[in-house]
Amino acid sequence: DQQVKQNSPSLSVQEGRISILNCDYTNSMFDYFLWYKKYPAEGPTFLISISSIKDKNEDGRFTVFLNKSAKHLSLHIVPSQPGDSAVYFCAASAGGSNYKLTFGKGTLLTVNP
Amino acid sequence: DTAVSQTPKYLVTQMGNDKSIKCEQNLGHDTMYWYKQDSKKFLKIMFSYNNKELIINETVPNRFSPKSPDKAHLNLHINSLELGDSAVYFCASSQGPGNTEAFFGQGTRLTVV
Repeated sequence: DQQVKQNSPSLSVQEGRISILNCDYTNSMFDYFLWYKKYPAEGPTFLISISSIKDKNEDGRFTVFLNKSAKHLSLHIVPSQPGDSAVYFCAASAGGSNYKLTFGKGTLLTVNP
Repeated sequence: DTAVSQTPKYLVTQMGNDKSIKCEQNLGHDTMYWYKQDSKKFLKIMFSYNNKELIINETVPNRFSPKSPDKAHLNLHINSLELGDSAVYFCASSQGPGNTEAFFGQGTRLTVV
């Protein structure tokens, strides 16, 4: 039972263009969402997060949008750079005393020079 | 300085053996985790400890036993290894409950032959 879904296993984008990575969730108790980036043979690294009380959070080239009614979030990367090529994981937490993150399966982003 | 370090990075062992993976964090975090990334690339939580106390055990077989000698360490011991245990195991830590980012180690690729 996948509570966090990333339906696109891969995405290819030209350098300088926008990358949009999508994530859907089913658990209405989730109230905190995170994006992690992972390079091969390394652990995931935190990228950006958003609380359910917000619908947008921006950090430099990265913006996360949250649509609670649709249970959907997206990560926008503008402009995309070759160094952004990695697997991007969407994760969610129910917050409070819940200590675990529920991850999606990841989307492999390739940014072509 | 590595924030979350786990050893070994690679582990190849025969079925039936007992092995341990060590994890240490120097971030001063209260909460530590073990995640498993299986062949389908899902990252799933196995255990979580908060201040050396087990708070999450996600129906992991009894052959897996976490040990937290102090807040900075969370080791994973696996008895009677099976082929299906082959995966990448990630240790992580966070300041507190789910609404905080988790920092991950580089992963341990376990191969059971």
